[in-house]
Amino acid sequence: DAGVTQSPTHLIKTRGQHVTLRCSPISGHKSVSWYQQVLGQGPQFIFQYYEKEERGRGNFPDRFSARQFPNYSSELNVNALLLGDSALYLCASSLARQGGFEKLFFGSGTQLSVL
Amino acid sequence: GESVGLHLPTLSVQEGDNSIINCAYSNSASDYFIWYKQESGKGPQFIIDIRSNMDKRQGQRVTVLLNKTVKHLSLQIAATQPGDSAVYFCAEKGNTDKLIFGTGTRLQVFP
Repeated sequence: DAGVTQSPTHLIKTRGQHVTLRCSPISGHKSVSWYQQVLGQGPQFIFQYYEKEERGRGNFPDRFSARQFPNYSSELNVNALLLGDSALYLCASSLARQGGFEKLFFGSGTQLSVL
Repeated sequence: GESVGLHLPTLSVQEGDNSIINCAYSNSASDYFIWYKQESGKGPQFIIDIRSNMDKRQGQRVTVLLNKTVKHLSLQIAATQPGDSAVYFCAEKGNTDKLIFGTGTRLQVFP
């Protein structure tokens, strides 16, 4: 079975541009979360979606937005890119249901470099 | 020059020895804890998890110990192998469904 898949694997953008990152969860998983991992640090929570609704949001500016589609895939959008947005963006899926928590399975991430 | 943020705590062990990676968590209300292994260029890979109603859980070659009194979590790896070399993260789940990750420990295994 395929794990969590993310695209693209690498991306180079310049300041001020916007970017869209994509994620396909493990089949049967309805919850998708996004994390940002800066080099040398642990991942930081950005968003969680369950059944196409936002269930949680981390301490990130409004430049960051996301959505989940009927097939449970998800997009993360970042507008007006800053140099500090350079990071590995990780998508994770889980079997979490309403009111429950299950372990997250991560994809390999999208490495975003902002120049 | 050196880069800020790249100096992860490092544990160096010889192949075949046991490894113990420690983690302190912050929220006494956290009810779920998880360990991930991250190899270079890859996403975090699930190792083992434990809920707060337990103090020990064993997997294949790995054991997680939870001490809620001192808010401490440890990961024990038996008979460490070169393939275990990676960065290990502990994470806690608090009042919401997000995971809060620690800064990570780099495990280096020498032959």
